[in-house]
Amino acid sequence: EAGVAQSPRYKIIEKRQSVAFWCNPISGHATLYWYQQILGQGPKLLIQFQNNGVVDDSQLPKDRFSAERLKGVDSTLKIQPAKLEDSAVYLCASSWAQENTEAFFGQGTRLTVV
Amino acid sequence: TQLLEQSPQFLSIQEGENLTVYCNSSSVFSSLQWYRQEPGEGPVLLVTVVTGGEVKKLKRLTFQFGDARKDSSLHITAAQPGDTGLYLCAGGGGTSYGKLTFGQGTILTVHP
Repeated sequence: EAGVAQSPRYKIIEKRQSVAFWCNPISGHATLYWYQQILGQGPKLLIQFQNNGVVDDSQLPKDRFSAERLKGVDSTLKIQPAKLEDSAVYLCASSWAQENTEAFFGQGTRLTVV
Repeated sequence: TQLLEQSPQFLSIQEGENLTVYCNSSSVFSSLQWYRQEPGEGPVLLVTVVTGGEVKKLKRLTFQFGDARKDSSLHITAAQPGDTGLYLCAGGGGTSYGKLTFGQGTILTVHP
């Protein structure tokens, strides 16, 4: 079974530029999560989708971050414009259903904003 | 908002020692998971506990869910350098249905 795929693995951008991350969850998984992880800390939930609907985006900085999962499969997370404090690893995870929170994670995208 | 507090935040021990990591909350969770993360990789699920008082063993790792489903512990016996990594607890369900909330993690270093 293929795991959660994310791209790119690494990205370096200048502040005020924009960036997009892509995630392909495990086939059949209805729930998709985007997490932000600062080095050495636990992941912080940015947004959670159930199929193509948003379940929770309460911690998403909506003035600069956006995410979509149009067909209920792949998802993209965008930052525009980026700030220095956005430097982090962005993790995508998926699970079978909303009531089953056993999540499977991708390798993440390490973003460095300079 | 459900919060999970992990302790200790850092743990540096010698090979062969035993250790325990704690995960505490004031909230009740439907399930609690433990993940291990290595540098440059995403977290990998180790175990899920769902019943109050439940104990699960995975080789040298023992996981326990508190009776009230508000806390959990991870005990490692005879730690090895390969156990080095970031250990994360995560709570699911409870008052935040379907949401997976992580603790801040415990960085474990096992020296040969």
